[in-house]
Amino acid sequence: QQQVKQSPQSLIVQKGGISIINCAYENTAFDYFPWYQQFPGKGPALLIAIRPDVSEKKEGRFTISFNKSAKQFSLHIMDSQPGDSATYFCAAFNDYKLSFGAGTTVTVRA
Amino acid sequence: GAGVSQSPRYKVAKRGQDVALRCDPISGHVSLFWYQQALGQGPEFLTYFQNEAQLDKSGLPSDRFFAERPEGSVSTLKIQRTQQEDSAVYLCASSLRTDIPQHFGDGTRLSIL
Repeated sequence: QQQVKQSPQSLIVQKGGISIINCAYENTAFDYFPWYQQFPGKGPALLIAIRPDVSEKKEGRFTISFNKSAKQFSLHIMDSQPGDSATYFCAAFNDYKLSFGAGTTVTVRA
Repeated sequence: GAGVSQSPRYKVAKRGQDVALRCDPISGHVSLFWYQQALGQGPEFLTYFQNEAQLDKSGLPSDRFFAERPEGSVSTLKIQRTQQEDSAVYLCASSLRTDIPQHFGDGTRLSIL
C-alpha cells in the first residue's frame, strides 16, 4: 500500500507561474521529508528536505510547507521555468527507508 | 567518478536467466540503497547497506533477489530465474552518512522477455 499519497498526477503551468504539489502521509514515525526531481532517463535528484519540527523551508525558488497536525506537506515552485519541466516525487523517511509518492509530472509552458 | 555509477545501463534477458547489476557509489559513502522503479511509478525500497552490513532487506520481492556489498564499496544486485514482472529500472543511491539517499545513479533498465 502506498504510504505517501501525492497529487496532482500532472500539472501544466505558464513560465513565471507557481507550481504546487501536495502530499499526505499516515505513518507518524516518518522523521524526514525530502523532495526529488527526476528527468527522463535519469535518477532522482534530491531537491530540498524538511524535518517535521519545521513548518516551512525555502531554498531558492523551491519552498516546502509542512503541516504536522494534518500530516500533509507541499512543494511550491516559484517563478517556474521551462527547465523545471520534470517529474517531482515527495517522500517520507524512517528506519533507512524512503517511501515515495507516485510522482507529479510538471510541464512549464514558455 | 563524481557520482553514483551503475552498469549496465540497459539489460535485456530472457525469462529464467540470472542477471547481475552493479553499483559504484561515491567514494567514502557509508550508506548504499537499492530501489526498484516501475514505469510511471515512484521508486520502491529494496535493500539498505551500511558499509558492508546489509541492515535491511525487507523490500526484496522474493528469495530470487540477492544483494551484496562485500568490501563496503561496490554493490551487486543479483536476480535469479528472472520473471517478466522483474522488468523495471533498478536504482542505486548512496549517502555520506546514515541518512536519506542523497545521490542516485541513473539506474539500470532491465527488460525481461
